[in-house]
Order: sequence, then structure tokens, then C-alpha cells
Amino acid sequence: GAVVSQHPSRVICKSGTSVKIECRSLDFQATTMFWYRQFPKQSLMLMATSNEGSKATYEQGVEKDKFLINHASLTLSTLTVTSAHPEDSSFYICSATSLDRGYDEQYFGPGTRLTVT
Amino acid sequence: EDQVTQSPEALRLQEGESSSLNCSYTVSGLRGLFWYRQDPGKGPEFLFTLYSAGEEKEKERLKATLTKKESFLHITAPKPEDSATYLCALCSGNTGKLIFGQGTTLQVKP
Repeated sequence: GAVVSQHPSRVICKSGTSVKIECRSLDFQATTMFWYRQFPKQSLMLMATSNEGSKATYEQGVEKDKFLINHASLTLSTLTVTSAHPEDSSFYICSATSLDRGYDEQYFGPGTRLTVT
Repeated sequence: EDQVTQSPEALRLQEGESSSLNCSYTVSGLRGLFWYRQDPGKGPEFLFTLYSAGEEKEKERLKATLTKKESFLHITAPKPEDSATYLCALCSGNTGKLIFGQGTTLQVKP
């Protein structure tokens, strides 16, 4: 149990375009999903927290209008990087948790490698 | 300020050579301390959750322990397949968010 998937696993886009990343909890209902960014040889940095049916809460320094997060159902959250630039190239990882499993245990997706050219 | 520091940054072991990874932390209210394993290009894989000082958990060659200031991940007789980056994270009672350390990259040579 506790499987989280992400799609796509890799994406290359041109500067100025937008890209959407999906995060799905496959075998449980995720009341909360988290989005992280990880630069090479660095640890995970939390970008935002999203609860199903409500607006995401963004960490300080993360642009809300650039990183659009939607958590429309208990099994799906999406992150859209709008007007992507090369500095947005990174490894984006989502995690999911639920009240049933104990809020604090987060299960992570396999990550999405974004390259902006 | 809640903070997590892992040491060493990198660790090279021979197969069978036991060792420990350290995670030091400061937190206003600990809801849990987590250990994850991350392979290159993959998301973190959950290993353990520890909630109170004195707690210990084991899984195969790994054992995690917790004190009021630090946690250790003990690796007994490691194998090459244990090579990975091990991440420590704490969940603060104030925010409920995970704060990650920088990780320890372990390489086990046959």
C-alpha cells in the first residue's frame, strides 16, 4: 500500500511554455499532498501544501502565480509550472498523506525531472 | 527555528563494515522524526518514523534510534545494495511540515 505515482517522469520544454505535472495516490485517499523541489546534490525543499478542495499554501519565496497547484480530488494533485524558465529546471517530487494513515507519514512519488531549454 | 543537520555528508564503507549515520535536530515540538532512503533520480522511500526519545525501530540491516537531540541510523553488515542517500526529516508540532536534512550519501563497496 501507500503508492504514489507521478506523470510524466521526465519533461523537456522550451522557455516561456507551461508544463503540468500530475501526482496520484493509487491505493489511498490523500487528504493532503505536498510538492517539493530538489536541486542536484541538495535536499528536498517544500514548495507548497495542498488539501483536497481548498487552495494550496505556499512556502515563503515560492511564487503562487508561477507554480499553480490544484488538488481537485482525494487522489490527484497537479502542479503547473507557468512560463517556465531555465532556472525552473529541477526535480519535482510530490508526497501524499491521509488522516487514515496518520497525518505525519508522507509517501513520495518517483519524481519528475523538468528541463527547460 | 526548527533545524536538521546530518553527518557525515558522505560515507564509504566496505561490504560488511557496520557504521552509523547521525541526524541532529532542534525543534520546538517534535511530532515525529523520519528516515527515508533515496536512490538517484527517484523519490524518497519511507523507512522509519520515531516519535519519542528512547524509541528504536529495525528493518533488515537498518536500525533507527532517537534521543532528545539526535537520531542515529545504524547499518549492520551493509551490502552494496544499501548504497543510497539517507535522508532524515522532522515533523514539527507547530507546522506539521517535514523539514529535511541534507542527507548522507552512503556507498558500500563489495
